[in-house]
Amino acid sequence: DVVMTQSPLSLPVTLGQSASISCRSGQSLVHSDGYTYLNWFHQRPGQSPRRLIYKVSKRDSGVPDRISGSGSGTDFTLKISRVEAEDVGFYYCMQGTHWPPAFGQGTKVEIK
Amino acid sequence: QVQLVQSGAEVKRPGASVKVSCKVSGYTLTELSMHWVRQAPGQGLECLGAFDADNGETFYAQKFQGRVTMTQDLSTDTAYMELSSLRSEDTAVYYCATGQRELPVWGQGTLVTVST
Repeated sequence: DVVMTQSPLSLPVTLGQSASISCRSGQSLVHSDGYTYLNWFHQRPGQSPRRLIYKVSKRDSGVPDRISGSGSGTDFTLKISRVEAEDVGFYYCMQGTHWPPAFGQGTKVEIK
Repeated sequence: QVQLVQSGAEVKRPGASVKVSCKVSGYTLTELSMHWVRQAPGQGLECLGAFDADNGETFYAQKFQGRVTMTQDLSTDTAYMELSSLRSEDTAVYYCATGQRELPVWGQGTLVTVST
């Protein structure tokens, strides 16, 4: 099974500053169809995960452009520019290229 | 747009089974691949298995093989996940989520508590 490793696991940030989360996979996430199925989710306490990013860098509808995804192969990054109070919670990367799908451990983002 | 509404919270004894439902609206179930994901208290996300609508096959994560069964009722557009031989470690929120590889839409979650 593919192991997804996120860092850091805890990320205190100042409002208005930037935050970056790293996600590394144990093997390449490039699928035979040419796409890379790397997703990012945001989860607030008591809520279901909400997808923010798919295929490494494509934003879901309603996701502000200060949230962006990048990377390739085995190394990926989620960046949040100008952090706002609504950004707090847990962030998870997830690979859908190989069976079974696998999530990172999660990164807790909180305001300093 | 797709919406997923799950059944309510359950409390089960160790050794029992639980069956969680996930009703689809806005799409027909035959068009959708469906994953089941769980989250133990204070923990991360773990995939139990998935139905692939492209080939009609169901895949189970090895950890849950033999204990989990995923089915569908096409007449009501409802997907089901049954987990048997429950133990305390199965206490978690169970989610259904659409998609083959990208999980864009999630249900609200169903809390399953396993306790004596």
